[in-house]
Amino acid sequence: DSGVTQTPKHLITATGQRVTLRCSPRSGDLSVYWYQQSLDQGLQFLIQYYNGEERAKGNILERFSAQQFPDLHSELNLSSLELGDSALYFCASSEGQGFAGANVLTFGAGSRLTVL
Amino acid sequence: AQSVTQPDIHITVSEGASLELRCNYSYGATPYLFWYVQSPGQGLQLLLKYFSGDTLVQGIKGFEAEFKRSQSSFNLRKPSVHWSDAAEYFCAVGVPGSGNTPLVFGKGTRLSVIA
Repeated sequence: DSGVTQTPKHLITATGQRVTLRCSPRSGDLSVYWYQQSLDQGLQFLIQYYNGEERAKGNILERFSAQQFPDLHSELNLSSLELGDSALYFCASSEGQGFAGANVLTFGAGSRLTVL
Repeated sequence: AQSVTQPDIHITVSEGASLELRCNYSYGATPYLFWYVQSPGQGLQLLLKYFSGDTLVQGIKGFEAEFKRSQSSFNLRKPSVHWSDAAEYFCAVGVPGSGNTPLVFGKGTRLSVIA
């Protein structure tokens, strides 16, 4: 158990729908990162929050949004879902603000989204 | 921008044999380098990391990696593979001093272990 909790583990939904993925970071970690893992694209960075504020943005679609709440948990909202959104979505957390230095990322087990 | 190449998509080794997984990076200076392992149904677990100093880095589960600046490589090695090492392995590169530049991951190498 890495200490990063993601729910749900599996989610099956239809095109056009909206889903919310939830992440609780490891105790003491202030940063949360979202990654998308698909067979063709590999691991792609989506977005990062630090202590409630957005810190870095990657290849996140406009249909996707995220936020980090005062208790530091984060939610990734995916809307108007398309077949191509089917992927494994990982949350990671770290103590510090960014990716550099000793700020090692700890990953959750992921949420597998299937869009039919 | 930095990039990572893992040339081998899938490698099969016999249990007890040695292992080397290749990782090449593209970056103008010395980056931060990481190896992660992903077991089926699990998240990514950090095996080892290189920031500076000794170019031979020891990690968990008996893994080691060597940073070779001249070859822009950070290959992962293990002298004797166990069946439980079967997993997907990811190399990642980070930019020192850049708080907002995300880690870039390679596409991964899937390791199969046969008896």
